[in-house]
Amino acid sequence: AQRVTQPEKLLSVFKGAPVELKCNYSYSGSPELFWYVQYSRQRLQLLLRHISRESIKGFTADLNKGETSFHLKKPFAQEEDSAMYYCALSPYSGAGSYQLTFGKGTKLSVIP
Amino acid sequence: EPEVTQTPSHQVTQMGQEVILRCVPISNHLYFYWYRQILGQKVEFLVSFYNNEISEKSEIFDDQFSVERPDGSNFTLKIRSTKLEDSAMYFCASRRDRDQPQHFGDGTRLSIL
Repeated sequence: AQRVTQPEKLLSVFKGAPVELKCNYSYSGSPELFWYVQYSRQRLQLLLRHISRESIKGFTADLNKGETSFHLKKPFAQEEDSAMYYCALSPYSGAGSYQLTFGKGTKLSVIP
Repeated sequence: EPEVTQTPSHQVTQMGQEVILRCVPISNHLYFYWYRQILGQKVEFLVSFYNNEISEKSEIFDDQFSVERPDGSNFTLKIRSTKLEDSAMYFCASRRDRDQPQHFGDGTRLSIL
């Protein structure tokens, strides 16, 4: 069975401080990892996927297969980063519909 | 940018009644999904749909649930006899193909009284 764990329900940081949102996963096969963000009253939006290795809005995430982690990082937090962040996993290959398994989410609050 | 749209945004229904949640996926997408999020809990997969049939479903998706793509644009989730525990946010998502990420709608908040 696949599982995604986000250990922090709430993370508060000051503007300009570094941010790290933790995500650990368990999956027996080859996973694809994602970060989705949900701003207040808006839809879930894709922020990052590990295979694209992009930096979006200053956020990066590296898949660490040894530690089964996919932590989200940003060197300098901005007030507009305040949102709910969800880590998600999907199978990367094989049969199936590639549905997402989500973590419980971490609410990031950036203090001005 | 094209978006997944869901209607209604909020649905209030008496327990035992049938409810239909509607979604219009992005037009060239081929894979469709329903997820739900009970208040305070994680987003959970319900069902996926491809090539006019269910491709996968979770344990949550029991006989009271059904999905349909009645025409070329709509994708619906029907709950036949609603229970209090069906109260949740229901999200529709679509993707063009397996290599592309899923795009989500705004969700429908379902409240069962």
